[in-house]
Amino acid sequence: GAVVSQHPSRVICKSGTSVKIECRSLDFQATTMFWYRQFPKQSLMLMATSNEGSKATYEQGVEKDKFLINHASLTLSTLTVTSAHPEDSSFYICSATQMAYEQYFGPGTRLTVT
Amino acid sequence: DQQVKQNSPSLSVQEGRISILNCDYTNSMFDYFLWYKKYPAEGPTFLISISSIKDKNEDGRFTVFLNKSAKHLSLHIVPSQPGDSAVYFCAASATDDKIIFGKGTRLHILP
Repeated sequence: GAVVSQHPSRVICKSGTSVKIECRSLDFQATTMFWYRQFPKQSLMLMATSNEGSKATYEQGVEKDKFLINHASLTLSTLTVTSAHPEDSSFYICSATQMAYEQYFGPGTRLTVT
Repeated sequence: DQQVKQNSPSLSVQEGRISILNCDYTNSMFDYFLWYKKYPAEGPTFLISISSIKDKNEDGRFTVFLNKSAKHLSLHIVPSQPGDSAVYFCAASATDDKIIFGKGTRLHILP
C-alpha cells in the first residue's frame, strides 16, 4: 500500500528557533497533502490543506506566518514552525491523497520546544 | 506492522439500516480511540471517540463500542443516511503518544 513518511520523527528545539518537518509520499504522487496538529486526548486539528504548486489553504485560527507550508512537488510537502514556543510542542501529522477517497497518514513528528 | 486494522475496505448498507464499521488493534497500551470521517477531496474530520475506561459512547446516530479483551471497537450508525457515505478511519493512541490510523473503510449508503 501507499506509504507516507515524515522526517524527523522527533525534534527538540529551543524557543525562538525554527524547525522544518518534511512529509513525503514514497510510492505515489500526492495531489493534496494535509497537515494536522494533535492535542493530548483530543481529535486532530486540521491546520492546512496543501496542493502542489499552489499556496496552502489554512484553517481559521492557524497563523500562516508562523506555520509555513510548502508543497513544492507531488511527493513532498514541508511544514516550518517559525519562532517556535513551548506551546507549539505537539505531534504534527501529515496525510496525503492521490484519489478522492484515499488518505494515507504519515507516522507523525513529535516537536518539543524547550 | 499495523497496530490499527480495518479489515473491510468497503461496506454497502441500505439507507435507514444500521451501518457497522469494525476496527481491531494490537497495542494493549492504547487507551483512547477515535473515529474520523472523510469526504472526497477533504481531510478527515473527527466524529466520535471513546476512552478505554468506557465500553460505549453514544452521540446522536453514532455509537462506538469498545471491547478491550478482544482489542476490538466498532462504530454503529443508526439509521444510515445518504450523507453518511464516506470513508471512515479508526484511530488509536496511548497516553502522550501519537495517533495511529487504520487504512479506512469506505461506506456506501444505498438508496
